[in-house]
Amino acid sequence: NAGVTQTPKFQVLKTGQSMTLQCAQDMNHEYMSWYRQDPGMGLRLIHYSVGAGITDQGEVPNGYNVSRSTTEDFPLRLLSAAPSQTSVYFCASRKGQGWEQYFGPGTRLTVT
Amino acid sequence: AQSVSQHNHHVILSEAASLELGCNYSYGGTVNLFWYVQYPGQHLQLLLKYFSGDPLVKGIKGFEAEFIKSKFSFNLRKPSVQWSDTAEYFCAVTGLHYSGGGADGLTFGKGTHLIIQP
Repeated sequence: NAGVTQTPKFQVLKTGQSMTLQCAQDMNHEYMSWYRQDPGMGLRLIHYSVGAGITDQGEVPNGYNVSRSTTEDFPLRLLSAAPSQTSVYFCASRKGQGWEQYFGPGTRLTVT
Repeated sequence: AQSVSQHNHHVILSEAASLELGCNYSYGGTVNLFWYVQYPGQHLQLLLKYFSGDPLVKGIKGFEAEFIKSKFSFNLRKPSVQWSDTAEYFCAVTGLHYSGGGADGLTFGKGTHLIIQP
């Protein structure tokens, strides 16, 4: 199994640009989540999904959209990038409610 | 709503010192508990987990944690740390039933940054 994969690893955007961060898992996990990690702030949940076709907002959803058309894929869309979205983004998945989370390698995004 | 508190944000130790990182949670029901480690520049990896049974759980790289239900605690320990243990450590808790409401049911602490000096 490849586990959780993310692309790209690094990205630089200009303010106002849009882009999609890709996330895929091959473990048939129901739950998938997107986090951002900023110095001193720990992990903050952006959006999550508890199954294909079901998504919900997390702690910091503004400026981001998600969809979950398949069990495997959970892309994160930045609608109009802002410098405040400069961060490291992690996608994660888990089998179900009580199970451990598996994390992808992360995407380091810089918005200028 | 559940919450997780990690008492120490930064810990500096010398090699061979003993380590204990505190983690307390608040949640009204049965929980599963986790410790994750994030080495510099890498993603989070599972260090150990507690689901049920023996409250003293052993993980990778000589780490262990003890679940004390009466204290709502799940402290991480290692008898003798190495320079390679320098990393950020996250405690996490999840209830067994999804409750929705804008959270995916898995709550992380803010993390403890551990620096081991050679």
